[in-house]
Amino acid sequence: KQEVTQIPAALSVPEGENLVLNCSFTDSAIYNLQWFRQDPGKGLTSLLLIQSSQREQTSGRLNASLDKSSGRSTLYIAASQPGDSATYLCAPLDYNQGGKLIFGQGTELSVKP
Amino acid sequence: DAMVIQNPRYQVTQFGKPVTLSCSQTLNHNVMYWYQQKSSQAPKLLFHYYDKDFNNEADTPDNFQSRRPNTSFCFLDIRSPGLGDAAMYLCATSVRAAYEQYFGPGTRLTVT
Repeated sequence: KQEVTQIPAALSVPEGENLVLNCSFTDSAIYNLQWFRQDPGKGLTSLLLIQSSQREQTSGRLNASLDKSSGRSTLYIAASQPGDSATYLCAPLDYNQGGKLIFGQGTELSVKP
Repeated sequence: DAMVIQNPRYQVTQFGKPVTLSCSQTLNHNVMYWYQQKSSQAPKLLFHYYDKDFNNEADTPDNFQSRRPNTSFCFLDIRSPGLGDAAMYLCATSVRAAYEQYFGPGTRLTVT
């Protein structure tokens, strides 16, 4: 059964820092992996989707990498801003569980001005 | 803009009183999902529809039902809400299974 772990659980950084959020998963049989952002009390906003055949995907200041064989993904945020403060969730789309998104617990990010 | 819409955004119901949450989409996607997210927890899939085919997760309580009358709309019915059903309910869509999922803003359910 797929298990997803995100480290760290919480992170507080000063504005302008570059930072890395980590996601690990136990079963490499995945279709793809999505990174989401969730603001308090809100729904999920899809940030990036990496197909299982890709190693990297970029959108603006965000860059996500995927190493399927080792069960790892990272989300890199460049030049962080206070507006980036949110919880970031990673979710591989699991092949062996019928294409189900399996979510990690998230990393709560706080960017201080 | 094409999007996923959930109504209401906030719903208060009494213990045991049936409640229905609504999701609609303008993306014309084939698949619609319902997730439950309790406070400080990861979202958990309850069930999904691929077109008209209903797929229930094994651990979804019988208290939770769903209807999809057409491509655009999907409903979550909670027959007898308990205090433990208080959560954020998230609707999502994808063009096909195993494709990118797009989420609505969620409905926060409170049970009194």
